[in-house]
Amino acid sequence: EIVLTQSPATLSLSPGERATLSCRASQSVSSYLAWYQQKPGQAPRLLMYDASNRATGIPARFSGSGSGTDFTLTISSLEPEDFAVYYCQQRSNWPPCSFGQGTKLEIK
Amino acid sequence: QLQLQESGPGLVKPSETLSLTCTVSGGSISSSTYYWGWIRQPPGKGLEWIGTIYYSGSTYYNPSLKSRVTMSIDTSKNQFSLKLSSVTAADTAVYSCARWLQSYFDYWGQGTLVTVSS
Repeated sequence: EIVLTQSPATLSLSPGERATLSCRASQSVSSYLAWYQQKPGQAPRLLMYDASNRATGIPARFSGSGSGTDFTLTISSLEPEDFAVYYCQQRSNWPPCSFGQGTKLEIK
Repeated sequence: QLQLQESGPGLVKPSETLSLTCTVSGGSISSSTYYWGWIRQPPGKGLEWIGTIYYSGSTYYNPSLKSRVTMSIDTSKNQFSLKLSSVTAADTAVYSCARWLQSYFDYWGQGTLVTVSS
């Protein structure tokens, strides 16, 4: 089973700052890594797929990078609506797929 | 616009079977391009993949839940379903259905809270 570890657990930043979220896999997942954003009471929203591809309608301030075991989601300049919980998800050895435990991005 | 909607009892007794249905609108569940999945999220916790089904009926389950999970699909109704047997309080969660495309879930339902309690 591939385990995804996200860091930090909580990230406190101010609007306008740059956010860097990390996701590390216990073994290589190639580029089969997706990122989701979840706000309270809402379903997760797909942000990035295959590590670096933005999903439809996702603003350009979101970017993803990495391959193998280390991945990063970067938000270049935080908007108020970006404060949420972010999850990574892999499907390298699908089935199954697995999710990271999440990073909470909160307003400082 | 594709929409997914979960339905089913919000309260299930311990040891009984949880049953949920996901109704898909705005697209065909019979498309060969997509799979359909269930994910759950216990209160205050992270996401857990439960299983995925193809329009042909092929199923793929999380090994940790495999002995208790059954998924089915009804293409005539554009629906797919989840059954989880022998539930305990640990199965209390928001259960969501979603569409799977190659390596990720691109459309999600809003989710439905299922509480396991006597």
